[in-house]
Amino acid sequence: GAGVSQSPSNKVTEKGKDVELRCDPISGHTALYWYRQSLGQGLEFLIYFQGNSAPDKSGLPSDRFSAERTGGSVSTLTIQRTQQEDSAVYLCASSLGLAGRDTQYFGPGTRLTVL
Amino acid sequence: AQTVTQSQPEMSVQEAETVTLSCTYDTSESNYYLFWYKQPPSRQMILVIRQEAYKQQNATENRFSVNFQKAAKSFSLKISDSQLGDTAMYFCAFMEPYVMDSNYQLIWGAGTKLIIKP
Repeated sequence: GAGVSQSPSNKVTEKGKDVELRCDPISGHTALYWYRQSLGQGLEFLIYFQGNSAPDKSGLPSDRFSAERTGGSVSTLTIQRTQQEDSAVYLCASSLGLAGRDTQYFGPGTRLTVL
Repeated sequence: AQTVTQSQPEMSVQEAETVTLSCTYDTSESNYYLFWYKQPPSRQMILVIRQEAYKQQNATENRFSVNFQKAAKSFSLKISDSQLGDTAMYFCAFMEPYVMDSNYQLIWGAGTKLIIKP
């Protein structure tokens, strides 16, 4: 595709339910990132995938959060037993290779609202 | 730990004016990367400009330029001839260069909301 795509665009869920957020990176990009952006805040790093290497999960806020990347392409971020504080915009980005040398291209984000 | 500070929560200027957004950062590293990203109401985060710390020359991209002061750890963004489409949140971000097993995520400032008035 032409850019990074994310789905759904918006997700409203009830507290305690599980949600899955999808990211489809730019074709050929080996690096993929998930960020969380709370209202009026900057971005908070969640997780990083680089090729077939083990992901860097150092930013995940709790064990309710997990992510996988199948076939080195599409990634899914899963939040189990959602809480109201999970409400935020979840942004995905991809880059050609190593961060810093390669520009990160962002998707439009998924706005998650936990009632 | 690295930190990025944007001291202006919101700015407003008239169309065609020049505006400067400030950013300061804290690091003990000598080599790193700095970025300005723009996020319009569409939520799409768009790279505006990037600067490698080892380059003394300030980066420019059309109407956008930076004033990189390494000793002062300052990285301001200047937008010349501002346009209505420049209305957005602007984020300053920092990253260390890649080394094996390093943590290479972007460190973000809180953002500056820029409003261009007609």
